[in-house]
Amino acid sequence: DVKVTQSSRYLVKRTGEKVFLECVQDMDHENMFWYRQDPGLGLRLIYFSYDVKMKEKGDIPEGYSVSREKKERFSLILESASTNQTSMYLCASTAQGTGAQETQYFGPGTRLLVL
Amino acid sequence: TQLLEQSPQFLSIQEGENLTVYCNSSSVFSSLQWYRQEPGEGPVLLVTVVTGGEVKKLKRLTFQFGDARKDSSLHITAAQPGDTGLYLCAGEGAGGGADGLTFGKGTHLIIQP
Repeated sequence: DVKVTQSSRYLVKRTGEKVFLECVQDMDHENMFWYRQDPGLGLRLIYFSYDVKMKEKGDIPEGYSVSREKKERFSLILESASTNQTSMYLCASTAQGTGAQETQYFGPGTRLLVL
Repeated sequence: TQLLEQSPQFLSIQEGENLTVYCNSSSVFSSLQWYRQEPGEGPVLLVTVVTGGEVKKLKRLTFQFGDARKDSSLHITAAQPGDTGLYLCAGEGAGGGADGLTFGKGTHLIIQP
């Protein structure tokens, strides 16, 4: 079974703090993703990575950065947390396929509250 | 930017009833996936449809991909309380899955006993 784990299920931080969200997958997947999920807005892609040390901006990268030093680990960094970054953060991974149909395997999510 | 519109946004029905959830776009997708998400968990893949006009069945769930690969539907027959959850459709664009999926906003489904 594919397993995607996220370092915290719940996190409370203060405005201005630096926040690290960690994601680890155990299936040797090439591609990893960070989404945020908000009521009425659905899942929105923040950043993704298709290889170690590679990163690409998604639809809403502002205020975030990422790090992928090892294949199995993809970190999302909030350099200076703000209240509008309160959200559910979901990490996902997929194998590198030849085209369509690659399943995204999601972690359980981290619910972040920024006060 | 490709957009996926899901409808209805919320649906509450009695056990045993049938329902259909729609996922529509003006864009063509290489494939379309349906996920189900339970509270406090990440989405879990139910099915992927790839070919225009394709129909896939998963027990009481029937998924259809439109002929033009711009829309999809999920039909549940004789809904059960265990079907309660958030249903998400997600489209894969021409760039392939490596650059992420476009998600609809989801349909919150509640099946009342």
